[in-house]
Amino acid sequence: GDSVTQMEGPVTLSEEAFLTINCTYTATGYPSLFWYVQYPGEGLQLLLKATKADDKGSNKGFEATYRKETTSFHLEKGSVQVSDSAVYFCALSDYKLSFGAGTTVTVRA
Amino acid sequence: GAVVSQHPSRVICKSGTSVKIECRSLDFQATTMFWYRQFPKQSLMLMATSNEGSKATYEQGVEKDKFLINHASLTLSTLTVTSAHPEDSSFYICSALLGQSPSYEQYFGPGTRLTVT
Repeated sequence: GDSVTQMEGPVTLSEEAFLTINCTYTATGYPSLFWYVQYPGEGLQLLLKATKADDKGSNKGFEATYRKETTSFHLEKGSVQVSDSAVYFCALSDYKLSFGAGTTVTVRA
Repeated sequence: GAVVSQHPSRVICKSGTSVKIECRSLDFQATTMFWYRQFPKQSLMLMATSNEGSKATYEQGVEKDKFLINHASLTLSTLTVTSAHPEDSSFYICSALLGQSPSYEQYFGPGTRLTVT
């Protein structure tokens, strides 16, 4: 079945550092790919998405490109802030969502 | 943007009692909603798919008689945890489905923290 493998955390960074969270997927069809963010004690918020190969999703300085050849959807941000501290989930969907394990990111001032 | 609410945000109940959690789509109609369970420091586990006007579809291993789901309108789905026990303590999150294939999106509620004493 469809599945997502996500880089294990936790990840600790200093402010203004570069962030990359790796995500690869296995799917029989052509799913949409998502990154969700979860702040402590809250539900999930959609961060960005891509619906087909070579699409780039972007939001709040975060970017991810749907790479069919490497079955990847890595999340990147060039300069993180303390407010980016959260848990990040990679997911794929052809109706139901399949989530990765989540990566906890802590940004220190 | 699409907003989904959940009520209550936190609930503490005694063993053996039942608890109802509501999930509402506030500014759109949702034929399909999903219920998830999240354990501390873990990912979300899909419990069931809730379809308006029909029976919910439960994932393997989820007891349908224990976790009753009712999707009575296009904006409301409820999850009732019946005869709750301490092992049912968890963070329950709902989502509402918006869009059409291949551009489905799920919008999540803020979650409900259930503690069974």
